[in-house]
Amino acid sequence: TQLLEQSPQFLSIQEGENLTVYCNSSSVFSSLQWYRQEPGEGPVLLVTVVTGGEVKKLKRLTFQFGDARKDSSLHITAAQPGDTGLYLCAGGWSFQKLVFGTGTRLLVSP
Amino acid sequence: DAGVIQSPRHEVTEMGQEVTLRCKPISGHDYLFWYRQTMMRGLELLIYFNNNVPIDDSGMPEDRFSAKMPNASFSTLKIQPSEPRDSAVYFCASSLGHPNQPQHFGDGTRLSIL
Repeated sequence: TQLLEQSPQFLSIQEGENLTVYCNSSSVFSSLQWYRQEPGEGPVLLVTVVTGGEVKKLKRLTFQFGDARKDSSLHITAAQPGDTGLYLCAGGWSFQKLVFGTGTRLLVSP
Repeated sequence: DAGVIQSPRHEVTEMGQEVTLRCKPISGHDYLFWYRQTMMRGLELLIYFNNNVPIDDSGMPEDRFSAKMPNASFSTLKIQPSEPRDSAVYFCASSLGHPNQPQHFGDGTRLSIL
């Protein structure tokens, strides 16, 4: 049973477009992390959100944690080819243990 | 700073053989995690250690899988005997023992069992 569902699974867009990736669960998390993974490498942390309703911005990326701490979204403005990769959300309950989402594979074409 | 180091990067072996994957965590990190990534199941936690002690091995699929952490700078994941369905990318990650700390991943070992 996958506890964290991400949508869409795949997204292919042109440079300059905006997009939103969703991460949903029926479980409440104490924290939610977003990672990006490039081919041949391990995931790299982008952001951690811990408070319901929290919004964090990282340049063109905006992350939001749902009020009930069950879901999250990642919005990218004016996507660039360098944003291409696999985006993973990860929910935490207990100390340090994470469960990862199903992943969203993004391709941004020039 | 050196990140998490995994070896080998690639392993191809025949079913029935023993496979040993190795990991050196970031110095000073007291948590170490082993994950498996496949297209079908995504990134799954297999086992994690705190201060070299296994805390949760509920993700280890079968008795054929075992993991050890003899000291703070080294861990192994062993599969014996290996089967084709074990083919995947195996990641090691480490982190500090404070709430909401990021996990730092190695580049993984791509394992193919023929």
